[in-house]
Amino acid sequence: GEDVEQSLFLSVREGDSSVINCTYTDSSSTYLYWYKQEPGAGLQLLTYIFSNMDMKQDQRLTVLLNKKDKHLSLRIADTQTGDSAIYFCAETEDQTGANNLFFGTGTRLTVIP
Amino acid sequence: DGGITQSPKYLFRKEGQNVTLSCEQNLNHDAMYWYRQDPGQGLRLIYYSQIVNDFQKGDIAEGYSVSREKKESFPLTVTSAQKNPTAFYLCASSRLLGQATGELFFGEGSRLTVL
Repeated sequence: GEDVEQSLFLSVREGDSSVINCTYTDSSSTYLYWYKQEPGAGLQLLTYIFSNMDMKQDQRLTVLLNKKDKHLSLRIADTQTGDSAIYFCAETEDQTGANNLFFGTGTRLTVIP
Repeated sequence: DGGITQSPKYLFRKEGQNVTLSCEQNLNHDAMYWYRQDPGQGLRLIYYSQIVNDFQKGDIAEGYSVSREKKESFPLTVTSAQKNPTAFYLCASSRLLGQATGELFFGEGSRLTVL
């Protein structure tokens, strides 16, 4: 089955950039997503990228996709303490119907003041 | 406000008991999902439904059951057959892919602890 991998932990200082990495095995991925989870809460979509794109920027967030290496990254510029959370990457190969996402293990980002 | 409501937020169960977790959405989404979250393992799909009166097993359906009698509601029953039910359960909904980007909207989760 599909495999989505992330490192479990990342610590950065407030004001620095954070880069969270994700690798996946499914060569048929259509959409790739980044979700954020704060303690004891559900997941919120941060951004997504179509598989035919290389980059997407949205304010402080930059997503890079390397389809050849099956590598996805999320860069958070000027990281703030409020960015401390677990970040999940997810991918799907579905094109119609229900969206059965495959999630990574999540990366816990800790921002040090 | 539109959203997904899960209840209860915390639930304690004795071994051998069935429990039902509620999930209601008012987003008019066709698809609904149940995920289980364990530390260090990410989210794993239990069941999903893309239309009323129809649902499909996910990766870890054993010991769980669902129903989809109404578009707005997708309750999950954790049965006594589930060997390790202590976990954080997340419900989600989405529009169907092909109509939209398939973004999943999540509830706030239900934490089940078996005593």
